Amino acid sequence: SYELTQPPSVSVSPGQTARITCSGDALPKQYAYWYQQKPGQAPVLVIYKDSERPSGIPERFSGSSSGTTVTLTISGVQAEDEADYYCQSADSSGTYEVFGTGTKVTVL
Amino acid sequence: EVQLVESGGGLVQPGGSLKLSCAASGFTFSGSAMHWVRQASGKGLEWVGRIRSKANSYATAYAASVKGRFTISRDDSKNTAYLQMNSLKTEDTAVYYCTTTVQISGMDVWGQGTTVTVSS
Repeated sequence: SYELTQPPSVSVSPGQTARITCSGDALPKQYAYWYQQKPGQAPVLVIYKDSERPSGIPERFSGSSSGTTVTLTISGVQAEDEADYYCQSADSSGTYEVFGTGTKVTVL
Repeated sequence: EVQLVESGGGLVQPGGSLKLSCAASGFTFSGSAMHWVRQASGKGLEWVGRIRSKANSYATAYAASVKGRFTISRDDSKNTAYLQMNSLKTEDTAVYYCTTTVQISGMDVWGQGTTVTVSS
């Protein structure tokens, strides 16, 4: 079955930049989405279609794509950005959705 | 207000069945695909499956881990999606979320989740 691979954890100091990668063979063909999840809460969409930001999401969140890897960048990280982040996309046929393994962002 | 509200979770024995509901409001439910996503305690998100709209023939798709045991349906007259879970296993224990696309692209609206515990 199709898989999306993320690093388990990323640590960053306040004001610095956090980058989270997500790798999958079908990413050149399918859009990627990014979700932020804080403990006890439902996920929140922070990036759609690789690099678009929903209204209400701070500008410090951005997304990019290159080949089989997509990247979520959080510039000027704030304490409130500490959370789990998941990428999501579809398999090459577009039939089955899949979530990445998840990355815990810790703000030092 | 756009809202999804799940219900129907609870404790069930292995091999048992449970049916979850997802009540939608504040958007055109009939035109939206509905997804179910689950999360075991301390684990990541797992896509369970989805049902598309009438315009897309109510097409369903399921993750391999639940195919043949779970069935997703919808009643557009009630603005409600369902997840029928049969032959439940202990590994199905999780918080189950329903989610959909309302304004843009991707899963931009989520319910609060309902907890399913499979245990003897």
